[in-house]
Amino acid sequence: KQEVTQIPAALSVPEGENLVLNCSFTDSAIYNLQWFRQDPGKGLTSLLLIQSSQREQTSGRLNASLDKSSGRSTLYIAASQPGDSATYLCAVTNAGGTSYGKLTFGQGTILTVHP
Amino acid sequence: DAMVIQNPRYQVTQFGKPVTLSCSQTLNHNVMYWYQQKSSQAPKLLFHYYDKDFNNEADTPDNFQSRRPNTSFCFLDIRSPGLGDAAMYLCATSRDLGVGQPQHFGDGTRLSIL
Repeated sequence: KQEVTQIPAALSVPEGENLVLNCSFTDSAIYNLQWFRQDPGKGLTSLLLIQSSQREQTSGRLNASLDKSSGRSTLYIAASQPGDSATYLCAVTNAGGTSYGKLTFGQGTILTVHP
Repeated sequence: DAMVIQNPRYQVTQFGKPVTLSCSQTLNHNVMYWYQQKSSQAPKLLFHYYDKDFNNEADTPDNFQSRRPNTSFCFLDIRSPGLGDAAMYLCATSRDLGVGQPQHFGDGTRLSIL
C-alpha cells in the first residue's frame, strides 16, 4: 500500500528565505506527483505536476524535483513571502495495485512566512 | 473562472438529518471524485465516477452515497450524519483515470454537525 510522508510537519521562516519541503513515497509505481497548496478552510490548488518520466518542473519561484527510484520529491520555494503561508500537500497518482489511478496524499507541511 | 464549483461552501446539519453536497464542473471531464478531509489530515478518497460507472472505496461507510445525473454534476449524500462526519468535503475532476492526468479541485464544502 502506497504511503506518502512529508517532512517537516510545520515550518516557520522569515520573509525572503529560500526553503525546501520534502515528500517521500514508498511505492515507485507512480504516474506523476503533484504539489498542492491549501489555504485555511479552502480547497486544493495545484502548483506543479511532475510526470514520472520527468526530473523537475518550475513555475515562478517554485521548483519541484522528482527522484522516482528513491521515492523522493522536493518543493523549493525561492525568496519566500508572507503570502506563501499555507499548507503544502504532495500527492502521487498510483500506477499499480488496488489504488491504480488514484491519488495518495501526504499529511502536508504547514508553512508560515513571517514579515 | 472556477472550473469545479462546490455548493454550499458551508453546511450545517443536525445529527442524523440527511444532507446533500453538490459539485459541478465546466471542464467536461470524465472522472469526478469525492474526498473527505478532517482537520489536519490528508484528504481521503470516498468514491469516484468514471463517466456513469461508480467506484466505491472499500472503507467508505455505507452512510455515504453519491449520484451523478450527468457529466457536469455530482452529489454526495450523507444519509444519517454522525459527529464524526464533520469535515471538509472536496470534489475533484480529471479528464481520465490515471495516465498522468491531473486532478482539479473545488474549494470544498465544510460540513458541521450539531
